[in-house]
Amino acid sequence: SYELTQPPSVSVSPGQTARITCSGDVLPRKYAYWYQQKAGQAPVVVIHEDSKRPSGIPERFSGSSSGTMATLTISGAQVEDEADYYCYSTDSTGRVFGGGTKLTVL
Amino acid sequence: EVQLVESGGGLVQRGGSLRLSCAASGFTFSSYNMNWVRQAPGKGLEWISFISSSGSSIYHADSVKGRFTITRDNAKNSLYLQMNSLRDEDTAVYYCTRDLYCGGDCYYFDYWGQGTLVTVSS
Repeated sequence: SYELTQPPSVSVSPGQTARITCSGDVLPRKYAYWYQQKAGQAPVVVIHEDSKRPSGIPERFSGSSSGTMATLTISGAQVEDEADYYCYSTDSTGRVFGGGTKLTVL
Repeated sequence: EVQLVESGGGLVQRGGSLRLSCAASGFTFSSYNMNWVRQAPGKGLEWISFISSSGSSIYHADSVKGRFTITRDNAKNSLYLQMNSLRDEDTAVYYCTRDLYCGGDCYYFDYWGQGTLVTVSS
């Protein structure tokens, strides 16, 4: 099995850029994905295959990956973006989530 | 509209058993791999089980291997999780998730149920 490591928390003011990192040895050869989970709700994917944004996800969400680190960037974070964010990746016999990052926007 | 509805959660004694179900609708269930993901209270997400569309491939996380079993019934559009020898640390919301294969090495959970709470108590 492998691990994905995220910072526990990130805090920004509204309109600032939030960056959430995810590190793991698997990331040079596997895609990173990002899920957003708001309080009391099921998670929603906001980035897949390192940098692709599903339809319906605002353009301020973007993703990148280089070497052992993937990054979720929220450009001009809004109060409604306050949530827990999880990176995720796969291997041939399983899936793994990072520990999650609580994004505070205030 | 894709819907995944979990059921079967509840309070169970340590060492006991429980069977979770997930009723799927709005898509061709037999064409999709499925998973169970759980979340302990106030904690992060943990993938625990995968089953291929036909049921021929199954994987479990080390934390539940030998205790939990994932199965499916494509005729009933249903996914199941049999949980035995339950421990305190199995207390969590259990989500049923659909696996989207997006080509090449791309797999992710594109639809989630609302979850069912399992509480293990002594």
